[in-house]
Amino acid sequence: SQKIEQNSEALNIQEGKTATLTCNYTNYSPAYLQWYRQDPGRGPVFLLLIRENEKEKRKERLKVTFDTTLKQSLFHITASQPADSATYLCALGGNTPLVFGKGTRLSVIA
Amino acid sequence: EADIYQTPRYLVIGTGKKITLECSQTMGHDKMYWYQQDPGMELHLIHYSYGVNSTEKGDLSSESTVSRIRTEHFPLTLESARPSHTSQYLCASSVEAGASEKLFFGSGTQLSVL
Repeated sequence: SQKIEQNSEALNIQEGKTATLTCNYTNYSPAYLQWYRQDPGRGPVFLLLIRENEKEKRKERLKVTFDTTLKQSLFHITASQPADSATYLCALGGNTPLVFGKGTRLSVIA
Repeated sequence: EADIYQTPRYLVIGTGKKITLECSQTMGHDKMYWYQQDPGMELHLIHYSYGVNSTEKGDLSSESTVSRIRTEHFPLTLESARPSHTSQYLCASSVEAGASEKLFFGSGTQLSVL
């Protein structure tokens, strides 16, 4: 069955550093991969999408890479701020509804 | 900003009660979804709809049912709630863009069954 693993349940970093979150998957060949942000008690909010034929996407302080050979996506937040503290979910998409990972809880410490 | 609304925000009920969780969107999206999420766990798809009068079960076995009589409305019903139904229920709709889709989520309903 499809499996998505996000590197760790929690990640703590200092303000101003770059946060790097990992999403690995097995038994799946997604046409695209997405990252969402989820704050406590709220629904996820879409951040970025990257397609299978793209290597990298950027949006402001966010960068996503997608390696279909390694079956891995990396999500980077540069110059991190306490306001970036949240849970970040990766999701795989294609011909079927999106499949989500458990997420990584990021805490940016001032 | 997406306009998708879920009510109630919180619900505490007793075992055996029938409940309906409401979800409405004003964006005219054809695709709508219900996910279930427990703390620290992934979202599990329980139902989805690709348009009016179209509903499908998701990957997670669920004792709930859904209906899609109008594009904007996608309610989820539990005929007889049990403590195992305690969870957060998230509704989403999506817009397609270039052979991919982007989901917009509501704020969720936190259900507690005593």
